[in-house]
Amino acid sequence: ETGVTQTPRHLVMGMTNKKSLKCEQHLGHNAMYWYKQSAKKPLELMFVYNFKEQTENNSVPSRFSPECPNSSHLFLHLHTLQPEDSALYLCASSQADREGEQFFGPGTRLTVL
Amino acid sequence: GESVGLHLPTLSVQEGDNSIINCAYSNSASDYFIWYKQESGKGPQFIIDIRSNMDKRQGQRVTVLLNKTVKHLSLQIAATQPGDSAVYFCAEIGGYALNFGKGTSLLVTP
Repeated sequence: ETGVTQTPRHLVMGMTNKKSLKCEQHLGHNAMYWYKQSAKKPLELMFVYNFKEQTENNSVPSRFSPECPNSSHLFLHLHTLQPEDSALYLCASSQADREGEQFFGPGTRLTVL
Repeated sequence: GESVGLHLPTLSVQEGDNSIINCAYSNSASDYFIWYKQESGKGPQFIIDIRSNMDKRQGQRVTVLLNKTVKHLSLQIAATQPGDSAVYFCAEIGGYALNFGKGTSLLVTP
């Protein structure tokens, strides 16, 4: 148990669906991150939030929309995804000045049909 | 392109032996490196880090070595155990982000 939870753990959606991934951290951290992990590729950073403000958007398509209502919660809203978006989506948190030591959730396994 | 890369995608070692996982990086300005471990069905887990003003750092059963001359770092695991079976990633800090390599899958055989 890392102190970072993600729901749902598995999600299957069609290309026209709208869904949201949720992440919650119980560690008192003030930075949160979304990563995409695909087979045979390095983890790809998608978004970074520091103190609820988005500080990095790593050229992510607009069909992925993050939301950070407070320092403990992070959402990833999904809309009109493509099959190549199927992957493991990982959330992480850290103290803002210790971005090297990130605590990861177990991920949401997303399949887009 | 990839800023950090692992040398071998898979590594098989016998239980009790020492393991060495290697990683190369390309940016000579990189000054902070981290090793993560990812077990099946879980997210990556921080193992150990090292800054560029050091060439060696030790943790519990793990040692990270940094060679800035050849832009290479390694993770050594002493007395490898079955619970060490996982994918190991090296990463460097770029801005706010961790840049991960592709990972080496470590398989510990009895």
